[in-house]
Amino acid sequence: AQSVTQLDSQVPVFEEAPVELRCNYSSSVSVYLFWYVQYPNQGLQLLLKYLSGSTLVKGINGFEAEFNKSQTSFHLRKPSVHISDTAEYFCAVSERGNTPLVFGKGTRLSVIA
Amino acid sequence: DSGVTQTPKHLITATGQRVTLRCSPRSGDLSVYWYQQSLDQGLQFLIQYYNGEERAKGNILERFSAQQFPDLHSELNLSSLELGDSALYFCASSVGAGDSPLHFGNGTRLTVT
Repeated sequence: AQSVTQLDSQVPVFEEAPVELRCNYSSSVSVYLFWYVQYPNQGLQLLLKYLSGSTLVKGINGFEAEFNKSQTSFHLRKPSVHISDTAEYFCAVSERGNTPLVFGKGTRLSVIA
Repeated sequence: DSGVTQTPKHLITATGQRVTLRCSPRSGDLSVYWYQQSLDQGLQFLIQYYNGEERAKGNILERFSAQQFPDLHSELNLSSLELGDSALYFCASSVGAGDSPLHFGNGTRLTVT
């Protein structure tokens, strides 16, 4: 069965600095990978997804992620963060789309002015 | 706005009671998923329905049950409630059964006292 590990539970970063949120997955088959964001008192919103093709995936709000099959990673990056990026970020995996999404425990990104 | 509607937003009830959470998926989406979010367990997949049929089952307790109706809305029934059932319950929907991204509602916060 697939699993997801988000290596950092909290990441503080200054405004306009770059950020990387780390995600590693475990699966014995091909996977689909997703990043979701959760703002306070809201549901999860899709940031970006990798199904196939180019390993560099661009999403909304200036975020991007790179799929690395050899390292089984799907790290999320943004070159310059804003206060409004403060939220909880979840990495999720599905085995070839045949299984429901399994989520990591989340990384709380705090952007400091 | 994701288009997924969950009611009620908040629910406070006593141990031993039974509650029903309701979810209306986005227009056109055939799959409905239920997730439980708690501080210690993170986001746990409970169950998925696709076009009225149960598609996948996760860590759903026997005290919990769900169904998807012909109009595609879904209900999650929680019975013999325990303090540990206090959590945020999310419904999500997707067009297909696998690779399409999930769209989440804003959740129902259940407090068992």
